[in-house]
Amino acid sequence: EIVLTQSPGTLSLSPGERATLSCRASQSVSSSYLAWYQQKPGQAPRLLIYGASSRATGIPDRFSGTGSGTDFTLTISGLEPEDFAVYYCQQYGSPPLTFGGGTKVEIK
Amino acid sequence: EVELMESGGAFIQPGGSLRLSCAASGFNFNGYSMYWVRQAPGKGLERVSGISGNSGSINYADSVKGRFTISRDNSKNILYLQMNSLRAEDTAVYYCAKGGIGVPFDWGQGTLVTVSS
Repeated sequence: EIVLTQSPGTLSLSPGERATLSCRASQSVSSSYLAWYQQKPGQAPRLLIYGASSRATGIPDRFSGTGSGTDFTLTISGLEPEDFAVYYCQQYGSPPLTFGGGTKVEIK
Repeated sequence: EVELMESGGAFIQPGGSLRLSCAASGFNFNGYSMYWVRQAPGKGLERVSGISGNSGSINYADSVKGRFTISRDNSKNILYLQMNSLRAEDTAVYYCAKGGIGVPFDWGQGTLVTVSS
């Protein structure tokens, strides 16, 4: 099973600042099948990035994903008030599909 | 547009049983694997179970193996999760998700299961 470790656990930033979230895999993620999801309180997760770097439909271009192999990054180039949420990575290349533990982006 | 609508969540006593349903629309249901993912209060996402499009491949998290059964009815576009011998630690929001190997998840809105005496 591929274990995904997200860091930091919590990121305290101000609106307008850049957020950099990390997701590290215990083994190489097949075909860069790595996704990022955003979850706000009381809501289901929402797909932001798939294939490590492709934005899902309707996702603003301030969200970008990079990485391959075992190291992946989600960058939010300038935080908007609606971006404060919890972010999860998921690998969907090797069974069983697994999730990271999440990074909370909170207002400083 | 993909739509996934869960139902069946309830407040139930330890040891009880419950069946969750997920009605799917907007895509070729039998062409995709489907999953149940849960989220305990204040915690992260946990894959509970997955089933391939033709039900030929099924997997479970160790925490539910032997107690939960996933199934699907491709004629009705419905995914099920039969949950038996429920425990307090099964308390969570249960999400239905479309996805699989090579396919990122689309999510339902979730249904709450509370196991408590």
